[in-house]
Amino acid sequence: GIQVEQSPPDLILQEGANSTLRCNFSDSVNNLQWFHQNPWGQLINLFYIPSGTKQNGRLSATTVATERYSLLYISSSQTTDSGVYFCGTGLSFGAGTTVTVRA
Amino acid sequence: GAVVSQHPSWVICKSGTSVKIECRSLDFQATTMFWYRQFPKQSLMLMATSNEGSKATYEQGVEKDKFLINHASLTLSTLTVTSAHPEDSSFYICSARPLRGRNEQFFGPGTRLTVL
Repeated sequence: GIQVEQSPPDLILQEGANSTLRCNFSDSVNNLQWFHQNPWGQLINLFYIPSGTKQNGRLSATTVATERYSLLYISSSQTTDSGVYFCGTGLSFGAGTTVTVRA
Repeated sequence: GAVVSQHPSWVICKSGTSVKIECRSLDFQATTMFWYRQFPKQSLMLMATSNEGSKATYEQGVEKDKFLINHASLTLSTLTVTSAHPEDSSFYICSARPLRGRNEQFFGPGTRLTVL
């Protein structure tokens, strides 16, 4: 199956900082998604982004399908952005990036 | 829209008992539902994919007689952990892919199973 690698594994941010999370995948995908898992375990859909760029508030994502990677941008981070961010295809997920935003 | 529920949200049971977890798509019909388990500090591991009216497809290493999956309707899939043992304790998550529209999945809130 497709291998998904995420980086960095951990990220500590000061409130207000910007950051970029990366997702590399080993083969072509047509259903890449980014999720945020909150402290209670709920996975929240952030983006369905097999290609192109999307923005939703302070978050945006870009997938370059031909180069097999996707980026998630967090701007002006807030403490509520803390949690684990996963990218994946539904069949395969990365190991996640744990984001901690400090006030 | 696109809400998926799971029931129960947590369950504690004795070793040897069976536990049923329900996954429902509340406002859409789901052609395909997926079951995952997640251990602490780890990623989601796909256990099986189920399509309405047909047998589930299990991932390698997942015992189909241990984890029974039934997808009886376009809005309901169930996972039954049979003869549960402490090593089955985990966080179980389902997701559903809508019948119509793009190839996006929506996740339930998860069920935390603790087997004593």
